[in-house]
Amino acid sequence: DGGITQSPKYLFRKEGQNVTLSCEQNLNHDAMYWYRQDPGQGLRLIYYSQIVNDFQKGDIAEGYSVSREKKESFPLTVTSAQKNPTAFYLCASSLTAIGAQYFGPGTRLLVL
Amino acid sequence: AQRVTQPEKLLSVFKGAPVELKCNYSYSGSPELFWYVQYSRQRLQLLLRHISRESIKGFTADLNKGETSFHLKKPFAQEEDSAMYYCALSGRGTSYGKLTFGQGTILTVHP
Repeated sequence: DGGITQSPKYLFRKEGQNVTLSCEQNLNHDAMYWYRQDPGQGLRLIYYSQIVNDFQKGDIAEGYSVSREKKESFPLTVTSAQKNPTAFYLCASSLTAIGAQYFGPGTRLLVL
Repeated sequence: AQRVTQPEKLLSVFKGAPVELKCNYSYSGSPELFWYVQYSRQRLQLLLRHISRESIKGFTADLNKGETSFHLKKPFAQEEDSAMYYCALSGRGTSYGKLTFGQGTILTVHP
C-alpha cells in the first residue's frame, strides 16, 4: 500500500466541534475526492477537486468543507453543521478527472 | 443525472459455481464504467474498467448499451472472491469528474 494515506484511522468528535480529516497522495494525481460510506448506501461523493486551488461540491456537501492548496493534499473538515457525521470517510485520487480512482484506507469518524 | 443500481445487496454461491453481479446504469451520454472491490480489512480497489476489456482474477464485464448494464461475471467462483463489490459510473459533460457508485453487493463464496 502507500500512494494515498489518510489520518487518523479513527476520530472522535464532540458535539459542536469541527474536525479535520487528512488525505495525502504522492502519485502526482491531479484529481482528488472525498466520499462517505454508510452501510447499505454505497459511497456518496462529498467534494472533489480536479486541480489545485479548485474544488466542487459533490452530492452531499452540506456540513463539510475542503481546501486544495497543494496538489498532494486534500483535507476535509466536518463542521458542527453536519448533524449525522458518524461514517467511514474515504479519500481517493485519479491521474485525470475521468481516470480510475485509487482509494486511501479510510477514516472512521465517531461522535461522542 | 447519473445513477447506478446494483439490485442485489447479498449474493451467495458455492465454490466452483458461476457468479454474476448485476449492475444497471442510467446516463444520457457515453459512460465509463468500473467495478471496484473491497476485501475484508483492505482498501477499496479497482477491479476492472470497461474500456480495458480485460479479465482480472477471472472476472469479466461487458458493457451492454442497449440494456444499460455492466454485469460482472466469473465462471468459477473461489472463496477468496468473497468481498464487497461496487459498480461505478463516470460521466462527462456536467458530470465531468464525478464517479457515481452503486450501493454495493456483498458476495459470499461458500466452500
